[in-house]
Amino acid sequence: GNSVTQMEGPVTLSEEAFLTINCTYTATGYPSLFWYVQYPGEGLQLLLKATKADDKGSNKGFEATYRKETTSFHLEKGSVQVSDSAVYFCALSADSGAGSYQLTFGKGTKLSVIP
Amino acid sequence: SQTIHQWPATLVQPVGSPLSLECTVEGTSNPNLYWYRQAAGRGLQLLFYSVGIGQISSEVPQNLSASRPQDRQFILSSKKLLLSDSGFYLCAWRGSGRGYGYTFGSGTRLTVV
Repeated sequence: GNSVTQMEGPVTLSEEAFLTINCTYTATGYPSLFWYVQYPGEGLQLLLKATKADDKGSNKGFEATYRKETTSFHLEKGSVQVSDSAVYFCALSADSGAGSYQLTFGKGTKLSVIP
Repeated sequence: SQTIHQWPATLVQPVGSPLSLECTVEGTSNPNLYWYRQAAGRGLQLLFYSVGIGQISSEVPQNLSASRPQDRQFILSSKKLLLSDSGFYLCAWRGSGRGYGYTFGSGTRLTVV
């Protein structure tokens, strides 16, 4: 089956620090990979995605590269801001049969950035 | 452009009362629709998904049910709420084909008292 493992949180960083949130996956077939962000009290928003090996997704200063050889999709940002404080979810999408692509989510990593 | 609407935003209900949460999607046709629950401090739990009108697949067959009476409408229901039903409920839609992610609604915070 499909699964996503991401680093346990919470993660606390000072403003302007470098961020890495690790994400590895197992999947049948060729998945697409996603990072979602959830700000307090809100729904999830798509942050970035990659659909094939070596693709790099990027948005708002965040980046993640689809590494098929290591089955990983680590999220990085060079300089975090207080406004980046949120929960981050890694996810994969793979065909679950009859063309129904479902997302499998990691458990989420809570990031707190302090001034 | 496509939009997803979910309501109400917050709800406080007594134990044993019924529940109805509604989700509608605009700007697309035949979307895949999903209901997730997020308990406090925990990850996402898939409750139901639907690939078409009247087609519902259940992942967590407890005292919740879902219906899809129209192409772009997805309803989550319960006849009698339990304390354990408290949580943050999220509706999502997805287009067909590989490479599409989900678009989530803004969520409903349900507190059962």
